[in-house]
Amino acid sequence: AQKITQTQPGMFVQEKEAVTLDCTYDTSDQSYGLFWYKQPSSGEMIFLIYQGSYDEQNATEGRYSLNFQKARKSANLVISASQLGDSAMYFCAMRLGRAQKLVFGQGTRLTINP
Amino acid sequence: DAGITQSPRYKITETGRQVTLMCHQTWSHSYMFWYRQDLGHGLRLIYYSAAADITDKGEVPDGYVVSRSKTENFPLTLESATRSQTSVYFCASSEFFMGQMNTEAFFGQGTRLTVV
Repeated sequence: AQKITQTQPGMFVQEKEAVTLDCTYDTSDQSYGLFWYKQPSSGEMIFLIYQGSYDEQNATEGRYSLNFQKARKSANLVISASQLGDSAMYFCAMRLGRAQKLVFGQGTRLTINP
Repeated sequence: DAGITQSPRYKITETGRQVTLMCHQTWSHSYMFWYRQDLGHGLRLIYYSAAADITDKGEVPDGYVVSRSKTENFPLTLESATRSQTSVYFCASSEFFMGQMNTEAFFGQGTRLTVV
């Protein structure tokens, strides 16, 4: 089975605060990749960050970091110093080494309040 | 222009009609995907393709047909459209390198389909 679960349908955060978006995954494969995408109100899908199952360090890309806890099968996205432009839908996704198909979670709508 | 394009961007069709959504990518990526996006469900994988003439079912394939005769094109056909297929459809493409997992998928702009 290959499943991604995002349990937070919506989150509200004050500007400049850090925010953590939760993502848990389910797979019996040892080789997999985890991705986070942002979808602003305009609708396009924007790739944010990637974490490989064999990566020993947590991935970071600017204000984005991925808190990867392999034993707990979680891959939470952390956004530091949130900005109004961070308001969007955020999707967690997983790709298995074998099948290579890319499966997404239900998404979390993040709203940054001024 | 390089990229991945979907057409049409908007489509209204009647129940029972056949409709085809087009997807074209210029990178020659091996993998292509079709998703539908519905409120509360996120993006659900309909079909995907590893290469020309190789396709496989995703999570919600019923009522859809795909083909991939050329690497760059991956059309999605609704054989007999139903109201439950009203959705936003996204096509995506991704390269594949053996042993590498970090190739992200690039998405088209989406097609908003309404079945009345």
